[in-house]
Amino acid sequence: DAKTTQPPSMDCAEGRAANLPCNHSTISGNEYVYWYRQIHSQGPQYIIHGLKNNETNEMASLIITEDRKSSTLILPHATLRDTAVYYCIVRVLYNFNKFYFGSGTKLNVKP
Amino acid sequence: DTAVSQTPKYLVTQMGNDKSIKCEQNLGHDTMYWYKQDSKKFLKIMFSYNNKELIINETVPNRFSPKSPDKAHLNLHINSLELGDSAVYFCASSQEQPGQGADFAPGELFFGEGSRLTVL
Repeated sequence: DAKTTQPPSMDCAEGRAANLPCNHSTISGNEYVYWYRQIHSQGPQYIIHGLKNNETNEMASLIITEDRKSSTLILPHATLRDTAVYYCIVRVLYNFNKFYFGSGTKLNVKP
Repeated sequence: DTAVSQTPKYLVTQMGNDKSIKCEQNLGHDTMYWYKQDSKKFLKIMFSYNNKELIINETVPNRFSPKSPDKAHLNLHINSLELGDSAVYFCASSQEQPGQGADFAPGELFFGEGSRLTVL
């Protein structure tokens, strides 16, 4: 029921951009794309979300393809503290929908 | 101020015992959740309450009973603990009705730090 597919792991050099892909080919027109991350065993933390347009905040950028079937989370200058599991989730807003977390991508930022 | 707080952080107990985990959120959210993260790190939703009413009840054994005395609190009681109940339990909250304050993104989930339960 997660409805998203992500690579299990990725490596990134410190200071470089980390690009994390997510496939959500069955996304509905009213479903948003959310990204969360979980550092070690802490509670997951919200990063960013979007519907159609690309979004940017102080943490990351979200690029959503025109057909909305996939998206990419970009951490512009990855640091060691960005090492975490990153989850891509699709959900309808304000609909008491379940937040389904898939297996996520383990991002390893290396010195 | 901690937005979503859970107690206890660690819980070690014997099989067959009954235990509770408490959760409180001070964000004014109307919806709260319990998630379970097992040793394989999968994060699975267990329950969701909106304004004290049960909204989501996944396939969870009857030994697990959530209780929401008010919309700021969601507790989880577990009877007759089993080895397989060992996991980290996360409480979370979100605002599922639009129009509330703007200190968070719409539909954003806030998680507590987790309660690590070990059943021996």
